[in-house]
Amino acid sequence: GDSVTQMEGPVTLSEEACLTINCTYTATGYPSLFWYVQYPGEGLQLLLKATKADDKGSNKGFEATYRKETTSFHLEKGSVQVSDSAVYFCALSEPSNTGKLIFGQGTTLQVKP
Amino acid sequence: DARVTQTPRHKVTEMGQEVTMRCQPILGHNTVFWYRQTMMQGLELLAYFRNRAPLDDSGMPKDRFSAEMPDATLATLKIQPSEPRDSAVYFCASGFSGGRGRNIQYFGAGTRLSVL
Repeated sequence: GDSVTQMEGPVTLSEEACLTINCTYTATGYPSLFWYVQYPGEGLQLLLKATKADDKGSNKGFEATYRKETTSFHLEKGSVQVSDSAVYFCALSEPSNTGKLIFGQGTTLQVKP
Repeated sequence: DARVTQTPRHKVTEMGQEVTMRCQPILGHNTVFWYRQTMMQGLELLAYFRNRAPLDDSGMPKDRFSAEMPDATLATLKIQPSEPRDSAVYFCASGFSGGRGRNIQYFGAGTRLSVL
């Protein structure tokens, strides 16, 4: 079945460092891809999305490109801030368009001043 | 500012008691999802509804959990009887299915359940 694999965390960075969180997927068909973020004590929020190959999603300085050839959707940010400390989830939509999402296990990011 | 509303935010109960969690999805959304999040298991899908009909509840322990949508503005998740292993954060999410670019889910703030 369809699945999402994220890099293991936690990831600890200093403020202004570059961030990459790897995400690869296995899917039949052509799913949409998402990154969600969960700040402490809150629910998940959509960070960015891409609906087809070579699309780039971006928001709040974060970017991710839908790479069909490598089945990847890595999350990147050029300069992280302490306020980016959170858990990041990669997800894909089921091709049957039920609205169901398949989530990765989440990657915790801690940014130190 | 439309949002998914969950109540209660926190619940502490004793083993064997019934627990009911409520969710008000965003108006106009046609899908509702219930998730459970724990440190050990991460985020697990328990059940989901489309147009108020249950599509899949295979992630839910059937003997003690039940999920319903009595109307379009209310979804409920019940645990009876509750057990300490049910302690977790329960999230409700709603969305609109169908078509590329949709399938975005909007999450509530969660209900933190502690079963003693």
